[in-house]
Amino acid sequence: GAVVSQHPSRVICKSGTSVKIECRSLDFQATTMFWYRQFPKQSLMLMATSNEGSKATYEQGVEKDKFLINHASLTLSTLTVTSAHPEDSSFYICSARDRTGLPYEQYFGPGTRLTVT
Amino acid sequence: AQKVTQAQTEISVVEKEDVTLDCVYETRDTTYYLFWYKQPPSGELVFLIRRNSFDEQNEISGRYSWNFQKSTSSFNFTITASQVVDSAVYFCALSEAGKSTFGDGTTLTVKP
Repeated sequence: GAVVSQHPSRVICKSGTSVKIECRSLDFQATTMFWYRQFPKQSLMLMATSNEGSKATYEQGVEKDKFLINHASLTLSTLTVTSAHPEDSSFYICSARDRTGLPYEQYFGPGTRLTVT
Repeated sequence: AQKVTQAQTEISVVEKEDVTLDCVYETRDTTYYLFWYKQPPSGELVFLIRRNSFDEQNEISGRYSWNFQKSTSSFNFTITASQVVDSAVYFCALSEAGKSTFGDGTTLTVKP
């Protein structure tokens, strides 16, 4: 089946620093990738949609200057949390759509747990 | 706008009991997909089932079964003879035009 990886799986950073999270589709090409955020005991909330070779589309209330998304290839999207603060601590999950797959089908990565101290 | 409601925040059952997790959705589109995912403590989402809006057939997979009723906009999930390993958070999700909206999740605890 389609596999999506995320790196790192866990990261701890200090307040004010930036951290990059990678999302890779390992055995398929993904023209579209999605980034979700999940706070403890809450649901997954879509942050942004990234399309290969174009600017990401952010959901309402998500600061695009704080959460930088780059989708430079068909297998890699990155999310950079700039000037991270403790309130950015969360579980970040990406998903990817196989460009040759069924419509509306997406494969989820294992998630990255970010802790900002 | 699309919305998914999982009214049950937490459910606790004893092993071997049957349990049904409710999911009600709202959408204006005629074409959409519904999903159920399991999220164990590790956090990784485990895909359980996908249903498109044109397929109202109920489905059974082992101890799992799903009941999709467009008339009531519901997509309920039943676990028969629950086991301790079924303990997890279960999410119902609705996908339209590639975007997924998740319900708040139901935490299922199965006690031995």
